[in-house]
Amino acid sequence: GAGVSQTPSNKVTEKGKYVELRCDPISGHTALYWYRQSLGQGPEFLIYFQGTGAADDSGLPNDRFFAVRPEGSVSTLKIQRTERGDSAVYLCASSLEGGGGGADTQYFGPGTRLTVL
Amino acid sequence: GESVGLHLPTLSVQEGDNSIINCAYSNSASDYFIWYKQESGKGPQFIIDIRSNMDKRQGQRVTVLLNKTVKHLSLQIAATQPGDSAVYFCAENAGGTSYGKLTFGQGTILTVHP
Repeated sequence: GAGVSQTPSNKVTEKGKYVELRCDPISGHTALYWYRQSLGQGPEFLIYFQGTGAADDSGLPNDRFFAVRPEGSVSTLKIQRTERGDSAVYLCASSLEGGGGGADTQYFGPGTRLTVL
Repeated sequence: GESVGLHLPTLSVQEGDNSIINCAYSNSASDYFIWYKQESGKGPQFIIDIRSNMDKRQGQRVTVLLNKTVKHLSLQIAATQPGDSAVYFCAENAGGTSYGKLTFGQGTILTVHP
């Protein structure tokens, strides 16, 4: 079946602009995760949704970052007043249940490469 | 170690050799561990996982070993192939209220020479 999809695959923007990154999880997966990966490093956790609600947003770096998942499926990561330091690959993952009885396997999308000029 | 930087550990092997990639994790409360493979320009791809009540788990050509005493995880790849060339990350999950959050290690670059 279809995996996690993310759009756009690449986004170039100017410092100070607003961007939205979209994630379509695997059908039927209730949990959705956002990570950020800088060059040469492993992904860093940003936020995790269980259904429509953000269960853990402890990884969001500041209030310029916000994410929503209004219908419990597609999610949008929103970044306001972008800075050059926001340049990275933004990865989305989904999992079947998202915890409760323990962590379950997270499946990642291809990522969106964000470049802030 | 798990220092952050641009110089990832590297492992070069010949096709057909066995590869062992090591990872030291930091949180003694972690109870779920995963290995991911990441090729250039792609997202991490799940390889194998293990829970803390086990010390060994085998998949197709891969084995994960967990030593909780020294907080060490390893990935063994049998009969390594050129298609195995990628960056390999270990990740840990602490469970409890953090069960949605994976913490990734630095990564190891595996290069397989034909």
